[in-house]
Amino acid sequence: EVQLVESGGGLVQAGRSLTLSCTTSGFTFGDYGMSWFRQAPGKGLDWVGFIKKRGHGGTIEYAASVKGRFTISRDDSTSIASLQMNSLKTDDTAVYYCSRLRFLGAGDYYIDVWGKGTTVTVSS
Amino acid sequence: QSVLTQLPSVSAAPGQKVTISCSGSTSNIGNNDVSWYQQLPQTAPKLLIYDDNKRPSGIPDRFSGSKSGTSATLGITGLQTGDEADYYCGTWDSSLSALVFGGGTKLTVL
Repeated sequence: EVQLVESGGGLVQAGRSLTLSCTTSGFTFGDYGMSWFRQAPGKGLDWVGFIKKRGHGGTIEYAASVKGRFTISRDDSTSIASLQMNSLKTDDTAVYYCSRLRFLGAGDYYIDVWGKGTTVTVSS
Repeated sequence: QSVLTQLPSVSAAPGQKVTISCSGSTSNIGNNDVSWYQQLPQTAPKLLIYDDNKRPSGIPDRFSGSKSGTSATLGITGLQTGDEADYYCGTWDSSLSALVFGGGTKLTVL
């Protein structure tokens, strides 16, 4: 069974840092891209960024709202994806979802597996 | 404000059919593949449709996707109370180099 389990969420003060981890199992991690999303309370899905698999260049893309503050990485040896969040703002408060990215070619992206999410609360 | 536009809510009776629309532009829907996701209350999203109109294994054929120009549509037939959820469309935006999503449509099955 394919599983994605996020960890590392919690309460943090604005301006501080936090790192989320996504521990995966049930599939060959290196064969897939990984993506992070977030969802603020009562709001819609908000894409944070993704990292493609090594075979697709390991390309990393970020949403404009987090570029320069957040860093996505992957460790194919441990099947873990990570999201390092720096200079956190109260607006970053959300449930953060790890997900498996499918990239089938130019303009063809979708998410086929989602984790259950971890909550990040940024206080002022 | 979302790059893709969805109506905030739709409703229909059990057994009926509903369509959920998603409007974009040539930089996203018009030239890239659309996917649809269902988010039941207090749960993670789930893939319903990818590549505009393909269903993953396990998704019933009551769910369908279509696209025309810069708009995409999710159709759900034989509505069930268990279909009450938020539905999101998503695609790649070539101008923004970003995955973009609609704001979500809340489906109520009356």
